[in-house]
Amino acid sequence: QVQLVQSGAEVRQPGASVKVSCKASGYTLTSYYMHWVRQAPGQGLEWMGVINPSGGITSYAQKLQGRVSISRDTSTSTVNMELSSLTSDDTAVYYCARLGILGYFDSWGQGTLVTVSS
Amino acid sequence: DIQMTQSPSSLSASVGDRVTISCQASQDISNHLNWYQQRPGKAPRLLIYDASNLGAGVPSRFSGGGSGTDFTFTISSLQPEDVATYYCQQYDNLLLFTFGPGTKVDIK
Repeated sequence: QVQLVQSGAEVRQPGASVKVSCKASGYTLTSYYMHWVRQAPGQGLEWMGVINPSGGITSYAQKLQGRVSISRDTSTSTVNMELSSLTSDDTAVYYCARLGILGYFDSWGQGTLVTVSS
Repeated sequence: DIQMTQSPSSLSASVGDRVTISCQASQDISNHLNWYQQRPGKAPRLLIYDASNLGAGVPSRFSGGGSGTDFTFTISSLQPEDVATYYCQQYDNLLLFTFGPGTKVDIK
């Protein structure tokens, strides 16, 4: 079955960067777009960006342009999300989510808590 | 970017009540609108896709409608397990997505 397994919780200081990974199994990574969504404590869902793992084309939310980068490693079926210049506002649970053929997120990772604190 | 609004931001209803949530897009998105349920501490779960199609295994008390800029989501008979936050989500194309701010549903 489809599984998305994310890397573990991270703590970073303001100004640092963080990289969260999402390892896909049970399907061919290059066949489905992979998105990243985050959720700050007590807040709503925020779409961050997407990668087409086949060609590597990416698209990002305007708010995060220049700070976020999504990449993939097809040899390990892994998608990575890197966020730089962290502030306390970036403290959130970060999810990877697969976009199914019907145009909705049909599988989610378990979430990775990133805490930004001095 | 396309902006999404939802109303109300929260509601409290009795078991068996009909509950309706509205979602509005800042521009025409045709029927490219999905609805998700999120329980505390869990990842979101798809309920409705393309505005009105019920997701696999989703109870029939959930339904959706609308097109263009105005959409609705309805729970025909609220159950205790429906306590959650509900989000609409648009995709104008496959590379730009937006979530609504969410509607928290409680039992009175």
